[in-house]
Amino acid sequence: DAGITQSPRHKVTETGTPVTLRCHQTENHRYMYWYRQDPGHGLRLIHYSYGVKDTDKGEVSDGYSVSRSKTEDFLLTLESATSSQTSVYFCAISDKGRNEQFFGPGTRLTVL
Amino acid sequence: DQQVKQNSPSLSVQEGRISILNCDYTNSMFDYFLWYKKYPAEGPTFLISISSIKDKNEDGRFTVFLNKSAKHLSLHIVPSQPGDSAVYFCAASVRDFNKFYFGSGTKLNVKP
Repeated sequence: DAGITQSPRHKVTETGTPVTLRCHQTENHRYMYWYRQDPGHGLRLIHYSYGVKDTDKGEVSDGYSVSRSKTEDFLLTLESATSSQTSVYFCAISDKGRNEQFFGPGTRLTVL
Repeated sequence: DQQVKQNSPSLSVQEGRISILNCDYTNSMFDYFLWYKKYPAEGPTFLISISSIKDKNEDGRFTVFLNKSAKHLSLHIVPSQPGDSAVYFCAASVRDFNKFYFGSGTKLNVKP
């Protein structure tokens, strides 16, 4: 299994508070992704990174920011959490040229 | 607007029979397609892929068929086993961009 961890695995927070989710990989893969999974929508890309300090927006990037200061870590920040951001968040990695992605175990976030 | 669609939210099949999961896409630039399998409380895992230069790819019990003219792909599982019960996502990408679009998923239930 690809070495991907996500922290925290579960979090409950209140509307308006900042939240940061962490993805850590030990595979030295160049590409890292953040998705959210919601019923009826499947997996939707929030942001992705194609290298250290290189990031780009996905389909549902509003209200989210990311940072990647080193290869192994990709952080997702909700500056001011809203109830619509209640979801399961998945991190994924891929090595360019192989195309398949390896996913982390997910973080369940509840915004009250 | 979703570029990858899985119109059947669920499918129930008897053990030993064939499971056929379908996926449609709208973007003619997609040239690489993947299927992922997801168990509850876990991240998706890569199952099988197909390039647009092929119309079929087989891996054990799993076969993916691609019909480019219809913008349709399907995953066949033969024979189906209870352990195949999971949510299946199809995904599509334009290879050079390393960015993926996922369908909403189909929940497969294989009955013993």
